Amino acid sequence: NAGVTQTPKFRVLKTGQSMTLLCAQDMNHEYMYWYRQDPGMGLRLIHYSVGEGTTAKGEVPDGYNVSRLKKQNFLLGLESAAPSQTSVYFCASDNPLTSGRAKNIQYFGAGTRLSVL
Amino acid sequence: KNQVEQSPQSLIILEGKNCTLQCNYTVSPFSNLRWYKQDTGRGPVSLTIMTFSENTKSNGRYTATLDADTKQSSLHITASQLSDSASYICVVSRGNYGGATNKLIFGTGTLLAVQP
Repeated sequence: NAGVTQTPKFRVLKTGQSMTLLCAQDMNHEYMYWYRQDPGMGLRLIHYSVGEGTTAKGEVPDGYNVSRLKKQNFLLGLESAAPSQTSVYFCASDNPLTSGRAKNIQYFGAGTRLSVL
Repeated sequence: KNQVEQSPQSLIILEGKNCTLQCNYTVSPFSNLRWYKQDTGRGPVSLTIMTFSENTKSNGRYTATLDADTKQSSLHITASQLSDSASYICVVSRGNYGGATNKLIFGTGTLLAVQP
């Protein structure tokens, strides 16, 4: 049981390049999330999905797109990377409908460290 | 404004000593409060979750308390070990956010270093 797996672990991009971050979970969770973590700030929600084929904007969605074609995968895309998108990106998943919102635990991946030059 | 503030920002203690981390929040409506441990280069891992009606929750050497009236929480670590060196993040969940999922408000974390 791998939990939440993110690829790649590290990436360096030049301004204007595009890339896709992949998140895979093997816990049959309905909900999946993409966060970014920056120094001196708490994690901020970029986009999330409440089920296969659905996506929704979070707190900081500009410059990112997502897709959830399969229940176990959640992709985060950067179409034209900017230096402001240098960050550590975390994927998470959970099942609040099954666990109950009050006791629901989000499981996080190990993160993708992205630098945009 | 919905905020979660943690103190201290960083803390150094000797192995075997106890410590207490603080979390104050201004989040409404409140659903639950979570403490996460984040090792360097890793994702956060859940330690405890407490709802409005719970005052204390333990997970091994970790004990979290919640005072919903004063909107404060603490995480007490007993008999610290080198492996406790990590960032500890307080997270408050807002109730009824968006009708689909609770919104999590993350603190910036307390960086704990346990020295031998």
